[in-house]
Amino acid sequence: DTAVSQTPKYLVTQMGNDKSIKCEQNLGHDTMYWYKQDSKKFLKIMFSYNNKELIINETVPNRFSPKSPDKAHLNLHINSLELGDSAVYFCASSPRDRGNTEAFFGQGTRLTVV
Amino acid sequence: GENVEQHPSTLSVQEGDSAVIKCTYSDSASNYFPWYKQELGKGPQLIIDIRSNVGEKKDQRIAVTLNKTAKHFSLHITETQPEDSAVYFCAASWLTNAGKSTFGDGTTLTVKP
Repeated sequence: DTAVSQTPKYLVTQMGNDKSIKCEQNLGHDTMYWYKQDSKKFLKIMFSYNNKELIINETVPNRFSPKSPDKAHLNLHINSLELGDSAVYFCASSPRDRGNTEAFFGQGTRLTVV
Repeated sequence: GENVEQHPSTLSVQEGDSAVIKCTYSDSASNYFPWYKQELGKGPQLIIDIRSNVGEKKDQRIAVTLNKTAKHFSLHITETQPEDSAVYFCAASWLTNAGKSTFGDGTTLTVKP
């Protein structure tokens, strides 16, 4: 069973378009995240979210917005896509239980803006 | 905020040799230090972690050491195998929010047969 699943795996789109990436976790975790991995493999957190609190990395443009319909899902919406948004986006989840801290990552969505 | 530096950026070893990757962090409040392995086309996967109340942890061929005073921690892989080839990331965070990690820039490890 897939723990954290993202769709689509690949996304090619034109500049200016609006797109969404979906993420679902079946681990019962309280907190979900979005990370961006650029062409140099650098991993940077974009958002941290549970049902009470959204923490946004201040460097993330407001064209990016997370939307959580329920505890198991955290989708990423991107408006007015730019060339520089091309990257691999990873969704992750973790429990808030101090005794179990592992963060689980999805397989990633490779976004290419042309 | 937290800043994590990781060295080296690339590491090539012969099969059977040991590999060591080092990281430093800046925020003394960080108390959880995971290491992730990322294989080509996949997401990062936790391979070992260490908490601030422990100086060393070992799991088969993998070990991690932590020096809280100096704010650095290291990953040691012994008897390397070709399947160890991957990108390795260190990270620092708080135990209560382990997924909100600050990652190092990654080390590409190549194990030559």
